[in-house]
Amino acid sequence: DAGVIQSPRHEVTEMGQEVTLRCKPISGHNSLFWYRQTMMRGLELLIYFNNNVPIDDSGMPEDRFSAKMPNASFSTLKIQPSEPRDSAVYFCASSLGGGLYEQYFGPGTRLTVT
Amino acid sequence: QQPVQSPQAVILREGEDAVINCSSSKALYSVHWYRQKHGEAPVFLMILLKGGEQKGHDKISASFNEKKQQSSLYLTASQLSYSGTYFCGTGVGGSARQLTFGSGTQLTVLP
Repeated sequence: DAGVIQSPRHEVTEMGQEVTLRCKPISGHNSLFWYRQTMMRGLELLIYFNNNVPIDDSGMPEDRFSAKMPNASFSTLKIQPSEPRDSAVYFCASSLGGGLYEQYFGPGTRLTVT
Repeated sequence: QQPVQSPQAVILREGEDAVINCSSSKALYSVHWYRQKHGEAPVFLMILLKGGEQKGHDKISASFNEKKQQSSLYLTASQLSYSGTYFCGTGVGGSARQLTFGSGTQLTVLP
């Protein structure tokens, strides 16, 4: 298996622009997680899906952030409009069932908003 | 609430041992341990479940003290490849799928 796939790996954009991050989970995994990692705040859970349904989005910082999972093999995280404080590494992870199973992380997307 | 990890950083020589602790104020059901090398994604090490036994593979093992809501990661006879940042992720309740990660412990192994 190729593991969790994320694209793009690097994104540089200007403040106010829309940013879309993409994730393909491991086939057969039914839980998908979006994390944001910064030096100041560490690894934060933004949202997670179970069987394509958003279960907990309490970590989404504000309405500028939205996430979708239209099918079992694809998810997006969108930021509109982007701001410099959104600069971070965004990880997508998938697992077989959540708390009782290991999470497999994708390589991450390094986002820089200028 | 975020679990508390200690120490924040540790430097040791190859062959030395280290212990990393993870404490929570909540009743835990599971504790996950991950290692992240610079510029890479976190990689799973092991899971400890409430009522479960101490886990380990190779020279890395972990324990889970349910009474103290605390987990410890033990690295024995450390190798250069052990360098990285170690995160614990805690799960509350057996049905809970999400984890809350600690702030990490940066481990540096010197030759």
